[in-house]
Amino acid sequence: QVQLQESGPGLLEPSETLSLTCTVSGDSVTSQNHYWIWIRQSPGKGLEYIGYLSYSGGTNYNPSLKSRVAISRDTSKNQFSLKLTSVTAVDTAFYYCARGSTIFGVVLSHFDYWGQGTLVTVSS
Amino acid sequence: DIQLTQSPSFLSASVGDRVTITCRASQDINTYLAWYQQKPGNPPKLLIYGASTLQGGVPSRFSGSGSRTEFTLTVSSLQPEDFATYYCQQLNTYPPTFGQGTRLEIK
Repeated sequence: QVQLQESGPGLLEPSETLSLTCTVSGDSVTSQNHYWIWIRQSPGKGLEYIGYLSYSGGTNYNPSLKSRVAISRDTSKNQFSLKLTSVTAVDTAFYYCARGSTIFGVVLSHFDYWGQGTLVTVSS
Repeated sequence: DIQLTQSPSFLSASVGDRVTITCRASQDINTYLAWYQQKPGNPPKLLIYGASTLQGGVPSRFSGSGSRTEFTLTVSSLQPEDFATYYCQQLNTYPPTFGQGTRLEIK
């Protein structure tokens, strides 16, 4: 059974960098045809895609966040991580990591496993 | 970004009812549409992908249909555990986007 678990600080001050890690069990962050994704959810903006790291190490980011976001992985620990710089109150949200799967072996088509999520609050 | 508009935003129904939720896309997304169910305090759970393919372990009372810009999620006979919020998501065009959600409550 695939499981994902987010970890990281829950409270940040404005202008700090948000750093979260997702630990994966039951699968590998290098497994073929899977993508490793960050999503966030806030009352004001609903569910928002942040970006992905592909099985081959490629990345894709939401243009609305691209200048501030980076997703990386540590294959030795089977983890992937999110960094979001210069946070403000609008970045307050539940942050989820998820696994993306493909149809036809190529096209990302759905997010089939999610972590429980972690609340990150940005406040001075 | 592609906008997804769900209707209704709120739905009140009874156990045993058949309900349908609609998701309309602002552009053609082929059949790259997924449906998720979310209960309070939990992450979204995948129900359907590819517009109509049921995810493993999801009860067969859930079904999806549609293509291009109009999609539906149907629950054939509501069970108590189905009362939740439902989201559609498109993955045809980056960035992937979600609908605003449909909250399904017990009448």
